[in-house]
Amino acid sequence: EVQLVESGGGLVQPGRSLRLSCVGSGFTFHEYAFHWVRQVPGKGLEWVSGILSNSARIGYADSVKGRFSLSRDDAKNSLYLQMNSLRPEDTALYYCAKDKEGDLDSWGRGILVTVSS
Amino acid sequence: DVVMTQSPLSLPVTLGQSASISCTSSQSLVHLNWFHQRPGQTPRRLIYKVSNRDSGAPDRFTGSGSGTDFTLKISRVEAEDVGVYYCVQGTHWPYTFGQGTKLEIK
Repeated sequence: EVQLVESGGGLVQPGRSLRLSCVGSGFTFHEYAFHWVRQVPGKGLEWVSGILSNSARIGYADSVKGRFSLSRDDAKNSLYLQMNSLRPEDTALYYCAKDKEGDLDSWGRGILVTVSS
Repeated sequence: DVVMTQSPLSLPVTLGQSASISCTSSQSLVHLNWFHQRPGQTPRRLIYKVSNRDSGAPDRFTGSGSGTDFTLKISRVEAEDVGVYYCVQGTHWPYTFGQGTKLEIK
């Protein structure tokens, strides 16, 4: 069974940092691209960042460019989102999503990030 | 960035009736997915590559379209179909989502 499990969220003050992790199981991790998608409670879905297999391409939404950094460790079946200079508008539920050739197929249950003083 | 425009944004439907949601993109797409999100739950994919139904998705759900115009049709709406439906494109980076269509039962 394919599983994606996010961790690392929580309450953080504006300007501080957090690192989200996503561990995958039940599939061959290194073969896939992955993305982070976020959702403010009660609002729509927003793509945050994505990374191709072999880290051949990494992309960011304009809203997080220069502040967030995405990486992967295929040996650990893990994806990492380093979030710096956090703002209140970054408050959201962050989902890790697996990408099969341009189609998001499996998602984790999400991890809540709250940026507040 | 590719702009995805869904309509309608609100969709009241009578049980047993059919419903359609439109998704229009600003650029031509191949990878167009449809997701359903129930309140408090993770989005679940129904359709990938425009018209391929996911295993586990009821055959009441049909995706169609090409180029920049796409449609999700739900035949014989059931109570479990309530929630928000999103289209998302994965042809061009960055991936982009539609605004969501909230389906409710009349």
